[in-house]
Amino acid sequence: QVQLVESGGGLVLPGRSLRLSCSASGFIFNNYGMHWVRQAPGKGLEWVAVISYDGSVTNYIDSVNGRFTISRDNANNTVFLQMSSLRAEDTAVYYCAKDIHSYGYLYFDSWGQGVMVTVSS
Amino acid sequence: EIVMTQSPATLSVSPGESATLSCRTSQEIVNNLAWYQHTPGQAPRLLIYHASTRATGVPDRFSGRGSGTDFTLTISSLQSEDFGIYYCQHYSRWPRAFGQGTKVE
Repeated sequence: QVQLVESGGGLVLPGRSLRLSCSASGFIFNNYGMHWVRQAPGKGLEWVAVISYDGSVTNYIDSVNGRFTISRDNANNTVFLQMSSLRAEDTAVYYCAKDIHSYGYLYFDSWGQGVMVTVSS
Repeated sequence: EIVMTQSPATLSVSPGESATLSCRTSQEIVNNLAWYQHTPGQAPRLLIYHASTRATGVPDRFSGRGSGTDFTLTISSLQSEDFGIYYCQHYSRWPRAFGQGTKVE
């Protein structure tokens, strides 16, 4: 069955960087687009970024554009989220999610359990 | 940017009763809408896609309707495992967006 396992979260100072990883198994990873979605404490879900099956196409929500970079390593079935210039408002549980479309154009049929990122001094 | 508005914020129901959740979009999205269930501490779960198609393994007490800008999710004969937060999400254009959620308690 599909498994998505996030890692790399933790406590980080404002302005610093952090890289999240999502290890995938149970499906042909390089056939599908992948997303990152976050949930701030007490808030709802917020879509963050998407990457196409081959890494050629990416898209971001405005609030992270230029600070976050999504990438993937198809040889190791892993998707990453490099987060820079972190702000307090980036504090959230970050989920990776699998799209059913190769370019990430549709909906998310599998999600990970999430990893917590706390940005605080 | 498409804004998603869910109502009500909270729905109090008893097991065996039915619940109807609403999702409205600020722009026309045809049927490019999904519903997810999120229970605290667990991964969100896809319930419905294309506004009305149940995902694999989803019981037929879950049904979705609507097109354009107005959508509903109905849970008939609520079971204990159905309590949680329900989100609608569009996939019509970028950026993707979720509603703020309806808590079924």
